[in-house]
Amino acid sequence: QSVLTQPISASGTPGQRVTISCSGSNYNIGSNFVYWYQQLPGTAPKLLIYGNNQRPSGVPDRFSGSKSGTSASLAISGLRSEDEADYYCTTWDDSLSAPVFGGGTKLTVL
Amino acid sequence: QVQLVESGGGLVKPGGSLTLSCAASGFTFSDYYMNWVRQAPGKGLEWISYINTFGNYAKYADSVRGRFTISRDNAKNSLFLEIHSLRVEDTAVYFCARDVLAGAGTGAFDMWGQGTLVTVSS
Repeated sequence: QSVLTQPISASGTPGQRVTISCSGSNYNIGSNFVYWYQQLPGTAPKLLIYGNNQRPSGVPDRFSGSKSGTSASLAISGLRSEDEADYYCTTWDDSLSAPVFGGGTKLTVL
Repeated sequence: QVQLVESGGGLVKPGGSLTLSCAASGFTFSDYYMNWVRQAPGKGLEWISYINTFGNYAKYADSVRGRFTISRDNAKNSLFLEIHSLRVEDTAVYFCARDVLAGAGTGAFDMWGQGTLVTVSS
């Protein structure tokens, strides 16, 4: 059971916009920055979004993050086949004094 | 070239021990908190430990506390994870990861190694 809750799966067709949610509590998302990772099959995770809504250099602006209260979302617009991957949210948890991950969302591009 | 390269994984019997290594290059290793994150086959990511820049403070997930020990050698740009009393449920790919912010432990990671597989089986 992950501290952060994500949907197990999401899907969309090429060109569509999809969103992936991440729900937590006041101890984690509610009081800390949220980060998102993309993990392509067989590879290490890659930082996609930091500081709730900032993109590292090289990440397309099709990817965007947002946070409201104890929930966060990752939006992917103009969906492409290469976006098919697992996506994880993470943040710091003040009660655990440690980072926590969501269970991950498998995105399928139909 | 900025990179992290793990090594030391393998097949171990339950109750056995192993030491994983992570070699860092291309950045000032001693400036960053470092972490170990694992991923069991077909499962999600699990943070297991971090160590501060000086190597004198570490924290562990409950699932590994008392069995795993993280350490670092800043002179050799290396991170280590000693694993003892291995259990079948410790089977996973183990990644080392660099914190996003120099000098602090934010719990977010901007650089990851390729991972090393630890298989615990009799």
